[in-house]
Amino acid sequence: DTGVSQNPRHKITKRGQNVTFRCDPISEHNRLYWYRQTLGQGPEFLTYFQNEAQLEKSRLLSDRFSAERPKGSFSTLEIQRTEQGDSAMYLCASSLAGNTEAFFGQGTRLTVV
Amino acid sequence: DAKTTQPNSMESNEEEPVHLPCNHSTISGTDYIHWYRQLPSQGPEYVIHGLTSNVNNRMASLAIAEDRKSSTLILHRATLRDAAVYYCILTSGTYKYIFGTGTRLKVLA
Repeated sequence: DTGVSQNPRHKITKRGQNVTFRCDPISEHNRLYWYRQTLGQGPEFLTYFQNEAQLEKSRLLSDRFSAERPKGSFSTLEIQRTEQGDSAMYLCASSLAGNTEAFFGQGTRLTVV
Repeated sequence: DAKTTQPNSMESNEEEPVHLPCNHSTISGTDYIHWYRQLPSQGPEYVIHGLTSNVNNRMASLAIAEDRKSSTLILHRATLRDAAVYYCILTSGTYKYIFGTGTRLKVLA
């Protein structure tokens, strides 16, 4: 098991373009989370999946953001019409159900120019 | 989710113990106390968690006050690799971690 894998690690895009990030969780984990982290701040919760069902979306997640987890395996986070304010580290985490630890990936750093 | 309060930064000498405090005066009976740390350019890494009793694992110890309104993460012998931002988080078993700004630990050689 190689842990939570995120791709790409870095993405530079022009304002207005669409971007998609991928997260591969630990294989037996049924919970998957997306967080966003800006410089000097702790990670902020964006959304959560239990298996393939998206059970909560933060108000931080505007209509330009969409996440999917087909078949309860990997997940994708898409940002449409990117803005400079979207520049951040996007972190994915996975866990088993219950009060157990979450395992985070190394993140995808997005820079919108 | 209840809020936690941590000092912005702390320093420690290498190979000395480090006590990282966390206040959580509004903790509820079902809240677990989780600690994560984040090294530069890495995602957060789980350190330890507990409910009421003190906990030990290979990385650290967690001391929880009797009234559960505060806790302390103890690193028994700090190394340069322990320099990171440490987050204290309360969760009642739900999926949503509310991270604060954490404590930036600097370890001096």
